Amino acid sequence: EDKVVQSPLSLVVHEGDTVTLNCSYEVTNFRSLLWYKQEKKAPTFLFMLTSSGIEKKSGRLSSILDKKELFSILNITATQTGDSAIYLCAVLRFNDMRFGAGTRLTVKP
Amino acid sequence: DAGVTQSPTHLIKTRGQHVTLRCSPISGHKSVSWYQQVLGQGPQFIFQYYEKEERGRGNFPDRFSARQFPNYSSELNVNALLLGDSALYLCASSSTDMNTEAFFGQGTRLTVV
Repeated sequence: EDKVVQSPLSLVVHEGDTVTLNCSYEVTNFRSLLWYKQEKKAPTFLFMLTSSGIEKKSGRLSSILDKKELFSILNITATQTGDSAIYLCAVLRFNDMRFGAGTRLTVKP
Repeated sequence: DAGVTQSPTHLIKTRGQHVTLRCSPISGHKSVSWYQQVLGQGPQFIFQYYEKEERGRGNFPDRFSARQFPNYSSELNVNALLLGDSALYLCASSSTDMNTEAFFGQGTRLTVV
């Protein structure tokens, strides 16, 4: 059965710390991997990764995909309290996205 | 440009009742997908529609149904509600049926009592 596993499930850090969130997957019909940030309700899109080894960056956030080892990481540098959220990893298949359970990140001042 | 809009935002229903949730995709987007998110879990795929045709269905009972209209808006219907149907229902729209970058609405919080 297809699965997407995120780790850790929960993480508490202080402002300024750097964090790495992990996502591993075993999915048939893989098309791409996406990261979303969910603060209250609507997950907001962060990155879509299709090719291995190509880092995508947006400000303090970056992400990379390893299609051989079937995982992705999301890095956040110089964390801020506004980064507190649930970070969701999803694998895009033919007609749907398979989500992991998410990592709940709490950034303390 | 308006993003994905869902209505209502909150809803309380009694077991056995029926509910209809609505979604308007981003202008120009033809694909709409529905997801159920139970507290503490990631969203789980229910349906995908593209150009008014069902393109995918998740592992949900027949009590769940959906449709897409000519203007690409969509409805999700759930019959014979159970307590376990309580969840956040998310609608996502994307420009193609390949579901490239899907953008989510704020969701409908359904509580079944």
